[in-house]
Amino acid sequence: GGIITQTPKFLIGQEGQKLTLKCQQNFNHDTMYWYRQDSGKGLRLIYYSITENDLQKGDLSEGYDASREKKSSFSLTVTSAQKNEMAVFLCASSIQGANSDYTFGSGTRLLVI
Amino acid sequence: EQQVQQSPASLVLQEGENAELQCSFSIFTNQVQWFYQRPGGRLVSLLYNPSGTKQSGRLTSTTVIKERRSSLHISSSQITDSGTYLCAMDGASSSFSKLVFGQGTSLSVVP
Repeated sequence: GGIITQTPKFLIGQEGQKLTLKCQQNFNHDTMYWYRQDSGKGLRLIYYSITENDLQKGDLSEGYDASREKKSSFSLTVTSAQKNEMAVFLCASSIQGANSDYTFGSGTRLLVI
Repeated sequence: EQQVQQSPASLVLQEGENAELQCSFSIFTNQVQWFYQRPGGRLVSLLYNPSGTKQSGRLTSTTVIKERRSSLHISSSQITDSGTYLCAMDGASSSFSKLVFGQGTSLSVVP
């Protein structure tokens, strides 16, 4: 079976710092996603990519950059970490056009001090 | 902005009771999926239910497209069912999928 791996699992940053989160999948899925999960707010889409080198903005893209240099990997950069920010960032992948095949990573927990 | 509303926000049940979780959508969608997340755990897909009724073990989902809603029924709840349940719809306007999530229902099952 395949796996989707997010690194790091925990990330502590300082205010103003640029922070990069990584995601790797070996399902050979076309589409990859970055979601932010805040308590009581569900998941909000930051960026997604439908194929290698493609990038599409989600509802929450401001303050973030993303990169899809390979089909198997999708990275997310917090361009300037906000003080006291605390959230979980979830990566997911799917076959293009197939909702039934969404797979999520275990998340990166971010704390900014 | 496309939205998904879930109710209730939280629910406490005694073991063995049934649960009914609701989800409503701001647009007509025929792509509805229910997910489960244990505290601190990975989000896993429970049921993909674009329309009608689908069952998986003790879980039954009913989606009514024309009423823009979906429900998830959990029968004979167990302590291990505790966690957050999220529904999602496909918010994409083209051929690829882009799930839009509700804020979740936090379920606690107690002895």
